[in-house]
Amino acid sequence: AQTVTQSQPEMSVQEAETVTLSCTYDTSESDYYLFWYKQPPSRQMILVIRQEAYKQQNATENRFSVNFQKAAKSFSLKISDSQLGDAAMYFCAYRAYNAGNMLTFGGGTRLMVKP
Amino acid sequence: KAGVTQTPRYLIKTRGQQVTLSCSPISGHRSVSWYQQTPGQGLQFLFEYFSETQRNKGNFPGRFSGRQFSNSRSEMNVSTLELGDSALYLCASSLWGAVVDTEAFFGQGTRLTVV
Repeated sequence: AQTVTQSQPEMSVQEAETVTLSCTYDTSESDYYLFWYKQPPSRQMILVIRQEAYKQQNATENRFSVNFQKAAKSFSLKISDSQLGDAAMYFCAYRAYNAGNMLTFGGGTRLMVKP
Repeated sequence: KAGVTQTPRYLIKTRGQQVTLSCSPISGHRSVSWYQQTPGQGLQFLFEYFSETQRNKGNFPGRFSGRQFSNSRSEMNVSTLELGDSALYLCASSLWGAVVDTEAFFGQGTRLTVV
């Protein structure tokens, strides 16, 4: 079974600074997708960024980028120029290539942004 | 374009009762997945429906069931409620949810409290 681990229950960052959230996963599959979701106090999960395992290039979405290390099964999220609106729970998630929309989530990291 | 709509937003039930939660996916989306979110267990996959058929199922007891209608709307039912069923139940829809990589869009969830 696949597992996703987020070792940082809480992180804090100063506004305008950079922060990196860690995620490791375990799978025997060779094709899969990895995601970072944001859950603000409104509770709605919002997709931040996604990475296809077959792509060597790290995904980037504006201020958000990932460091995908397939051999190490590591998938960290870097948030640059942190903003107050980035404060939320962040979840790393895994989806096998042929598993429909069955996501396996990590335990989450609560990110606090200090003004 | 309307997002994923979950009703009701909040629900209080008594132990032993049953409950039905509803999820209306984004128009045109055929895959609906359900997740349970609790402080202790985190986000756990319940089941996924695609074209009225259950395609994937998580590791939950038979008290948890679901169905999908021809218009892709989905309901989940929990019978003989236990205190431990208190959770945020999230629904996610996607266009295909098959091998094709499509994003899952989440609703705001239903907060179920069992007393």
